[in-house]
Amino acid sequence: GENVEQHPSTLSVQEGDSAVIKCTYSDSASNYFPWYKQELGKRPQLIIDIRSNVGEKKDQRIAVTLNKTAKHFSLHITETQPEDSAVYFCAASNRYGGATNKLIFGTGTLLAVQP
Amino acid sequence: DAEITQSPRHKITETGRQVTLACHQTWNHNNMFWYRQDLGHGLRLIHYSYGVQDTNKGEVSDGYSVSRSNTEDLPLTLESAASSQTSVYFCASSESRGHGYTFGSGTRLTVV
Repeated sequence: GENVEQHPSTLSVQEGDSAVIKCTYSDSASNYFPWYKQELGKRPQLIIDIRSNVGEKKDQRIAVTLNKTAKHFSLHITETQPEDSAVYFCAASNRYGGATNKLIFGTGTLLAVQP
Repeated sequence: DAEITQSPRHKITETGRQVTLACHQTWNHNNMFWYRQDLGHGLRLIHYSYGVQDTNKGEVSDGYSVSRSNTEDLPLTLESAASSQTSVYFCASSESRGHGYTFGSGTRLTVV
């Protein structure tokens, strides 16, 4: 089955700097890669996702890149702000035909943005 | 507004007891999932369902069971609670060709 590894487990940056979180996956059939943000005591919430037919996707200060050959994808946050502090999870899934939709998650990255 | 709700929010139970955690969604989603969240392990899939009467085992299904008798509900049962099952449990749902999950607010379960 699918296995997703995520690094680093903790990341501390200064406000205004960039943050990068990296994930690798094992199943070459995976074609959907979402990222979730979980604030302390809250539920995980989808912040951005990418499908395997796209190499990069941006949404304001957040971007995700995908390298299918190497089977890794990354989350990039630019101009970090204190409210970006949270745990971030990557995930992978095979969505073809809707037949398989379960997400396998990485172990999470605790991002701390220092004012 | 459509939502996904979990109950209870907090539960303390004794070792060996049977416990059921409720998950109810009004999105009319076919797909529903149960995860547990533990420090250092992230979110691990327990059981999932792609529709009524369909259930499947996830990565960490031992000691847990689910049933899907209607679209809205996927209750999670711990047959005989163990201290290793102390965790935060999240339910989630998605469309069949979904764009990611909608998570419930979680249930914090403590087994003493």
